[in-house]
Amino acid sequence: AQKVTQAQTEISVVEKEDVTLDCVYETRDTTYYLFWYKQPPSGELVFLIRRNSFDEQNEISGRYSWNFQKSTSSFNFTITASQVVDSAVYFCALAGYGGATNKLIFGTGTLLAVQP
Amino acid sequence: KAGVTQTPRYLIKTRGQQVTLSCSPISGHRSVSWYQQTPGQGLQFLFEYFSETQRNKGNFPGRFSGRQFSNSRSEMNVSTLELGDSALYLCASSSGQGPYNEQFFGPGTRLTVL
Repeated sequence: AQKVTQAQTEISVVEKEDVTLDCVYETRDTTYYLFWYKQPPSGELVFLIRRNSFDEQNEISGRYSWNFQKSTSSFNFTITASQVVDSAVYFCALAGYGGATNKLIFGTGTLLAVQP
Repeated sequence: KAGVTQTPRYLIKTRGQQVTLSCSPISGHRSVSWYQQTPGQGLQFLFEYFSETQRNKGNFPGRFSGRQFSNSRSEMNVSTLELGDSALYLCASSSGQGPYNEQFFGPGTRLTVL
């Protein structure tokens, strides 16, 4: 079965702090994709990143960085020098490729509150 | 490019009624997926349409149905509404078929069933 676990329900930080959002996944597919989405209060999910299972290179995009480790089935997301605008719910998601489960499976989300 | 649009944004219905939600994908995108978001169950996949055909379906009862038109616009229908159908319904479009493609989400339709 496929599953995504985001153990952190809520995180509160003060502006300029670094914060890491954890994501652990389970899958039997050898080829799969991992995603991070941001959901601000407006409700619209905003795509942040997609990673396939064969690409374990870490990625950095501005203040955002992602650490993908197949050995621990984790795909963690770090925001450096957080800002109030980063306040949102962040979802990690998993999609198989060619496997029996052909849908995007979301974690339960982590609510990040950045205080000024 | 215009983003994914969903109409209406808010809807209030009573139990037993039916409802139709609409989604217009990004121009050129042929795949439309629907998701239900509730506080209890989180984000759950409903179905995906590509080139007017349902390609994948989640674990929802037959009261939930959808269709896609030749211009890729999609509608989702829920019949015999139940209180538990109250949710944010999100539509996402993608250029390719399959959940592993990058999906662009609309603002959602918030359905309240009384």
